[in-house]
Amino acid sequence: EIVLTQSPATLSLSPGERATLSCRASQTVSSYLAWYQQKPGQAPRLLIYDASNRATGIPARFSGSGSGTDFTLTVSSLEPEDFAVYYCQQRSNWPVTFGQGTRLEIK
Amino acid sequence: EVQLVESGGGLIQPGGSLRLSCAASGFTVSSNYMSWVRQAPGKGLEWVSLIYSGVSTYYADSVRGRFTISRDNSKNTLYLQMNSLRAEDTAVYFCAREGWAYGQWLAFDYWGQGTLVTVSS
Repeated sequence: EIVLTQSPATLSLSPGERATLSCRASQTVSSYLAWYQQKPGQAPRLLIYDASNRATGIPARFSGSGSGTDFTLTVSSLEPEDFAVYYCQQRSNWPVTFGQGTRLEIK
Repeated sequence: EVQLVESGGGLIQPGGSLRLSCAASGFTVSSNYMSWVRQAPGKGLEWVSLIYSGVSTYYADSVRGRFTISRDNSKNTLYLQMNSLRAEDTAVYFCAREGWAYGQWLAFDYWGQGTLVTVSS
């Protein structure tokens, strides 16, 4: 099973700042990596698929990069609605696995 | 408009059974990869099961042999039959579509709102 390790566990930033979230895989996942945003009481929302492609309707301030084992989600300038939990997910090998999440909180 | 609506959750005693449903609209379940993903209270996301094509199914080790994924094409509905339930199965269960387009993976692009399953005596 591929283990995805997200860092940091919690990130405290202010609106307008840049957020950089990391996801590291225990073995290569090629570009089969996605990022999701989840707010309390809601289903996850797809942000990025195939490591760097924004999903439909996702603002341009969200971007993904990386391949192989190291991936990054960047939010260029935080809006108040961006404070949430973010998960990465791989689909390269079975079973599908998710990272443990990064909580992005308002400083 | 694509929509997924789960139902069937509730309180069940350990060892009991429950069947979850996920009614889809705006696309055809039988033509897509469909998964169940769960989230224990206060915890992260855990993939549970996948169905695609005819009868191809996959399960997480934690549920294999106890859970069965299926679909009813006439109702455009996905199911998860859960038997021998344990306290550790307590979670919100989401159904999700895994998108593919021209060979490109689109990840879990649509999710239902989730249904809560509580296993407790």
